Amino acid sequence: GAGVSQTPSNKVTEKGKYVELRCDPISGHTALYWYRQSLGQGPEFLIYFQGTGAADDSGLPNDRFFAVRPEGSVSTLKIQRTERGDSAVYLCASSFGRVGWGEQFFGPGTRLTVL
Amino acid sequence: AQSVTQLDSQVPVFEEAPVELRCNYSSSVSVYLFWYVQYPNQGLQLLLKYLSGSTLVKGINGFEAEFNKSQTSFHLRKPSVHISDTAEYFCAVSDGSGGYQKVTFGIGTKLQVIP
Repeated sequence: GAGVSQTPSNKVTEKGKYVELRCDPISGHTALYWYRQSLGQGPEFLIYFQGTGAADDSGLPNDRFFAVRPEGSVSTLKIQRTERGDSAVYLCASSFGRVGWGEQFFGPGTRLTVL
Repeated sequence: AQSVTQLDSQVPVFEEAPVELRCNYSSSVSVYLFWYVQYPNQGLQLLLKYLSGSTLVKGINGFEAEFNKSQTSFHLRKPSVHISDTAEYFCAVSDGSGGYQKVTFGIGTKLQVIP
């Protein structure tokens, strides 16, 4: 079946602009995660959704970052007033979200470049 | 809080030679441990995981890892590497608290297999 998809694959924007990054999880997966991978680093947790609600948003760096999942499937990560330091690959993952363990399946990521 | 240390940023190895990629973790509670692989321009893929039970875990593509609680290590090994193993490998830890997997990744080790 289809895996996790993310669009766009690449996004170039100018400092101060607003961007939206989309994640389509695997059908039936109730849990969805966003991570950010900066150059030379491992992925860093941003936010976790169980269904429609953000159960843990402790990784969001500041209030310019916001994510939604209104129908419990597709999720959008929104970044306002982008800064050059926001340049990174943004990864999405989904899982069945069973209590305890549920393997996370990752999408290919969106590479965001802020000029 | 949990953290992961990958001691080697790059590991060159000749084809058909054995390899070990080192990983140490810290956590105040029981942990789940993972190794992920990231091929160029692809998403993260789970190689193997330790949840409980046998400390030697086998994964895909001939990789295995051993959980050593006393040394807080989870080193990845393969007895004979192939060119196709050239990729970046990430060690990761999660304590599963809250009923979901908030995964903390290391910075990654780039495995370069030399023909």
